[in-house]
Amino acid sequence: DTAVSQTPKYLVTQMGNDKSIKCEQNLGHDTMYWYKQDSKKFLKIMFSYNNKELIINETVPNRFSPKSPDKAHLNLHINSLELGDSAVYFCASSQDWGTGYEKLFFGSGTQLSVL
Amino acid sequence: DQQVKQNSPSLSVQEGRISILNCDYTNSMFDYFLWYKKYPAEGPTFLISISSIKDKNEDGRFTVFLNKSAKHLSLHIVPSQPGDSAVYFCAAIFTGTASKLTFGTGTRLQVTL
Repeated sequence: DTAVSQTPKYLVTQMGNDKSIKCEQNLGHDTMYWYKQDSKKFLKIMFSYNNKELIINETVPNRFSPKSPDKAHLNLHINSLELGDSAVYFCASSQDWGTGYEKLFFGSGTQLSVL
Repeated sequence: DQQVKQNSPSLSVQEGRISILNCDYTNSMFDYFLWYKKYPAEGPTFLISISSIKDKNEDGRFTVFLNKSAKHLSLHIVPSQPGDSAVYFCAAIFTGTASKLTFGTGTRLQVTL
């Protein structure tokens, strides 16, 4: 039973399209995140939600819009996809936020390829 | 601005020997450090952590050492096993509000037979 699951695992699409990645966690955690791993292998935070409230919003183009319908789900919608959006996107969750002990549980990643 | 650096992209160690993975950081505000392990096609998984008030934390075969004055930490794996072959990410955080983990770029460890 996967703790943090994200779909799809692979996403190949054309420039200009709109796509969504879904994430669900069954750990009962209060905080969820989206991370992006680019071609240089940096894992960078994009967004964080705590109990459905946006708490971290890094400098991300507003073509990226996270949505948290409830604290177990955090979806990522991307409008007008660009070549530079190609990356691996990881969803994660954690029990604690703000205490500094962010032991994250990651999903297996979504490999996005924009052609 | 790369605040957490793992300067060795890869490391090869023989089974049974010690693996030492290094990490340097530049932000002196970081006060909590974590190591994550990642297998191919999987997400990173938490391995071990250390608070800046300590200089060592041990968990089985894994030990993390922190040298605050040098802004350096290292992960020791003894003895190394083939199943340890993975990418290891160092991460750091400032335990303030809106805190967020800053990751290094990872070191690929290959444990050979």
